[in-house]
Amino acid sequence: GAVVSQHPSRVICKSGTSVKIECRSLDFQATTMFWYRQFPKQSLMLMATSNEGSKATYEQGVEKDKFLINHASLTLSTLTVTSAHPEDSSFYICSARRSGDHTGELFFGEGSRLTVL
Amino acid sequence: DQQVKQNSPSLSVQEGRISILNCDYTNSMFDYFLWYKKYPAEGPTFLISISSIKDKNEDGRFTVFLNKSAKHLSLHIVPSQPGDSAVYFCAAKRGSQGNLIFGKGTKLSVKP
Repeated sequence: GAVVSQHPSRVICKSGTSVKIECRSLDFQATTMFWYRQFPKQSLMLMATSNEGSKATYEQGVEKDKFLINHASLTLSTLTVTSAHPEDSSFYICSARRSGDHTGELFFGEGSRLTVL
Repeated sequence: DQQVKQNSPSLSVQEGRISILNCDYTNSMFDYFLWYKKYPAEGPTFLISISSIKDKNEDGRFTVFLNKSAKHLSLHIVPSQPGDSAVYFCAAKRGSQGNLIFGKGTKLSVKP
């Protein structure tokens, strides 16, 4: 099966610093990757859609200047949480759609737990 | 407004019995539905899917039923096993490049 790897799996940072989370598709090319955020007892909230070589599309209410997304290659997308605050503490998950796949199946990373002190 | 709803936040089932997880949707344009399973502190994993042109898809112990007229789908797990204990997310999409819309999830506990 297709593998998506996220790094780091856990990160603790001080308020005001920036944190970068990487999402890699290890054995397939992904034209499109998605970034989600999960709050306790809540659903996966889609934050943005990342397309290789173009600007990410952000969902309503998600600050694009705070959550910087870069999808520079067909196997790597990064999410940078800038000037992080305690309310940004959450579980961030990425997923990737295999290039040319129209079934809708997504392959998810393991998730990254961000704690902002 | 939630387009995909999982109205039961939790479900407890005895090992060996059937687990039935329900999902309702409001957008009649959705054409593909998926179920994901998620353990704590891990990313979701794909479980089973169904196209809107079908009403049933079966894979081992897992069967998904789709009732388009009622805009309802359900996931049946039989027999349930303790290892099935996880949060199950229902998701729907429209078109080949559409985003997945997730429900809030149902936490399944299978007791030995």
